[in-house]
Amino acid sequence: QKEVEQNSGPLSVPEGAIASLNCTYSDRGSQSFFWYRQYSGKSPELIMFIYSNGDKEDGRFTAQLNKASQYVSLLIRDSQPSDSATYLCAARDMRGNNRLAFGKGNQVVVIP
Amino acid sequence: GAGVSQSPSNKVTEKGKDVELRCDPISGHTALYWYRQSLGQGLEFLIYFQGNSAPDKSGLPSDRFSAERTGGSVSTLTIQRTQQEDSAVYLCASSISNSPLHFGNGTRLTVT
Repeated sequence: QKEVEQNSGPLSVPEGAIASLNCTYSDRGSQSFFWYRQYSGKSPELIMFIYSNGDKEDGRFTAQLNKASQYVSLLIRDSQPSDSATYLCAARDMRGNNRLAFGKGNQVVVIP
Repeated sequence: GAGVSQSPSNKVTEKGKDVELRCDPISGHTALYWYRQSLGQGLEFLIYFQGNSAPDKSGLPSDRFSAERTGGSVSTLTIQRTQQEDSAVYLCASSISNSPLHFGNGTRLTVT
């Protein structure tokens, strides 16, 4: 089982709609979680991070964390064509090993 | 500098040659990470530095790969006797302690 899994295929959403991305993680020791956006041919850039159970909102983005279910999600409200990218979920084990384990990513295509 | 700087941005080398990839982290960032991303794949962890020491080298794919960091700043990733399967984008990231990672633009390595 991979440490961080993003199983959904490419997601197409109409402009203005909500894009919903999901991620599960296997290591219960993971304490902090991150969503990165990666445009084609570019490096990942941080969108959101979340440490506590519940929701965290930043502009059009909301991250949700449920540690009991080992589940992280990202909602993108009022999707724009500029949101078209691959979104990477990452989890960090804070027990001494500081590396981030990344999922394979979900491609989002916002259709004008 | 303002961000993580990697050089070269592109490197084409012949199979069997050695290559050195350089990363200059954000000033003051004590943690430095190397990842590899093959075409269409997620980020593969290679090595993590805290200061000049590497507490986690678990991701290095073979003994042809090595990395060092000097002065708590610049890091060099060396690949000896390159193989075609080493072709990928090599990404460096830095952070302050357990804060989110900030990525450089990567080095695209092509082994012919």
